[in-house]
Amino acid sequence: KAGVTQTPRYLIKTRGQQVTLSCSPISGHRSVSWYQQTPGQGLQFLFEYFSETQRNKGNFPGRFSGRQFSNSRSEMNVSTLELGDSALYLCASSLGTGEQFFGPGTRLTVL
Amino acid sequence: QQQVKQSPQSLIVQKGGIPIINCAYENTAFDYFPWYQQFPGKGPALLIAIRPDVSEKKEGRFTISFNKSAKQFSLHIMDSQPGDSATYFCAASKGNKLVFGAGTILRVKS
Repeated sequence: KAGVTQTPRYLIKTRGQQVTLSCSPISGHRSVSWYQQTPGQGLQFLFEYFSETQRNKGNFPGRFSGRQFSNSRSEMNVSTLELGDSALYLCASSLGTGEQFFGPGTRLTVL
Repeated sequence: QQQVKQSPQSLIVQKGGIPIINCAYENTAFDYFPWYQQFPGKGPALLIAIRPDVSEKKEGRFTISFNKSAKQFSLHIMDSQPGDSATYFCAASKGNKLVFGAGTILRVKS
């Protein structure tokens, strides 16, 4: 079975721009969660989608949004980028609850 | 109440040693406690996980010990190898919202 895939792997943007990241979960997995990883704040939960509905949300501003498609693929969007948004963005998939499997991440650099 | 506190921040052991990483949580609603291993440039990889109705779980060289009354859990790595050098994260969740510890950088010297 193929693992979780994320595209692109690396991204460089400038302040004020917006960005869209993509995640394809493991086949059969209906839950996709997004996390932000930074040296200062560690790993933080952004949100979770299950069957196209947001099921859980972390403490991030409204500039961070996401969606899930009928094939379980998910996208995350960050608008009006700030320097502090530079991070590794990780996507994790699971069947429902419990075991979550992470992708390799998208490294976003905001200049 | 959502925090998971992890210690130590870093750890150096000799090959064959048994590094132990500890975590403590506050939220008694948490019902799932996984450990992840992360290598530089990679996403976290699930190592082993436990639910609070079990006090210990072993998978290969990795063992979780869980103390529900103390709200603590720990990871032991038996017969550690240089290839185990990585960052280890504990986490806790209710549903799929994982709350992570700050991580422990482990170095196994050969």
